[in-house]
Amino acid sequence: GENVEQHPSTLSVQEGDSAVIKCTYSDSASNYFPWYKQELGKRPQLIIDIRSNVGEKKDQRIAVTLNKTAKHFSLHITETQPEDSAVYFCAAGGGTARQLTFGSGTQLTVLP
Amino acid sequence: NAGVTQTPKFQVLKTGQSMTLQCAQDMNHEYMSWYRQDPGMGLRLIHYSVGAGITDQGEVPNGYNVSRSTTEDFPLRLLSAAPSQTSVYFCASSPGQGLGTEAFFGQGTRLTVV
Repeated sequence: GENVEQHPSTLSVQEGDSAVIKCTYSDSASNYFPWYKQELGKRPQLIIDIRSNVGEKKDQRIAVTLNKTAKHFSLHITETQPEDSAVYFCAAGGGTARQLTFGSGTQLTVLP
Repeated sequence: NAGVTQTPKFQVLKTGQSMTLQCAQDMNHEYMSWYRQDPGMGLRLIHYSVGAGITDQGEVPNGYNVSRSTTEDFPLRLLSAAPSQTSVYFCASSPGQGLGTEAFFGQGTRLTVV
């Protein structure tokens, strides 16, 4: 099945700086890579996703890049704000495993 | 449009008790799944269903049963609760077969087994 590894597990940045979270996956057949944000006590919610036929996707201050050859993808948040503080999960799907496989999460803290 | 609704939101069980966590979605999604979330371990798949009458095991299925008699409902049963099942449980649904589409999560159930 699919295995997704996510790094780092915790990340602290100063407000206004950029944050990068990286994930690797094992199943070369996976073709869908979403990122979820989970605020304390809340449900995970999709913030951006990318499909394997695209190398990069941007939505305002967030972007995701995908390297299919190396089987890794990354989340980039620019001009971080305190409200960006949350746990972020990457996931991979659409491959031989019939479900989304999630990474272990990154606790992002934006320091004022 | 309520999305994915889970009940209860909180539950305390004694070891050995059984209970059912309810999950319902009103988006006509074919794909539904149950995850548990433990600190530092992300979201681990318990069971999933690709349509009414079809269920399959995920990564951590032991101690849990599911059924899918309708498109809307996907209950999770704990057969004999153990302290190791203390966790936050999330139900999710996706359109199509969920292979390459967004998962919509319920609000979660925080379960404590004492």
